Amino acid sequence: GAVVSQHPSWVICKSGTSVKIECRSLDFQATTMFWYRQFPKQSLMLMATSNEGSKATYEQGVEKDKFLINHASLTLSTLTVTSAHPEDSSFYICSAAKRGAYNEQFFGPGTRLTVL
Amino acid sequence: DAKTTQPPSMDCAEGRAANLPCNHSTISGNEYVYWYRQIHSQGPQYIIHGLKNNETNEMASLIITEDRKSSTLILPHATLRDTAVYYCIVRVAVSGAGSYQLTFGKGTKLSVIP
Repeated sequence: GAVVSQHPSWVICKSGTSVKIECRSLDFQATTMFWYRQFPKQSLMLMATSNEGSKATYEQGVEKDKFLINHASLTLSTLTVTSAHPEDSSFYICSAAKRGAYNEQFFGPGTRLTVL
Repeated sequence: DAKTTQPPSMDCAEGRAANLPCNHSTISGNEYVYWYRQIHSQGPQYIIHGLKNNETNEMASLIITEDRKSSTLILPHATLRDTAVYYCIVRVAVSGAGSYQLTFGKGTKLSVIP
């Protein structure tokens, strides 16, 4: 149990376009999901915390108008990178915590975004 | 959350025990020690966590010193598939939904050698 999926696993897009990444908890309900970004040879950096049915909380320095997060259900959160640019190329990873088991986070496999 | 210090890299021979240290000298009484690992180009994987007692599960053992200022993750019989970056994270436990993010440091890159 406790499987988190992400779609797509990788995406290449042109500069200026928008890209949507989905994060799903497949076999549990997740009241809170997290979005991380990881640049090559660096550690994971938290971008935002998303609670079902409410607005996401963004970390300092993360543009909320550029990285749109929607957590419309207990099993799905989406991250939309709007007007993507080459500097947005990164590995985006989501995680989710089970309702009632908040001390363990389950991570998705990540999405590799390349902006040309 | 308290800061952690880990060696940047370690090697371990296949089949031997891998002992990964972590210093967390400023840990508070209500903070747990968590370990995650990340295999190249994958999402992190939870390994184990503990407060002050030693813990063991099917993946690893966690040894926490009596003063809780350091801990060691032990992989009893390392395999090539254990090659990954291992992250030691300290964080308060939570009892309800909310903002309880994990703060990742640079971790230790463990290379298991045949």
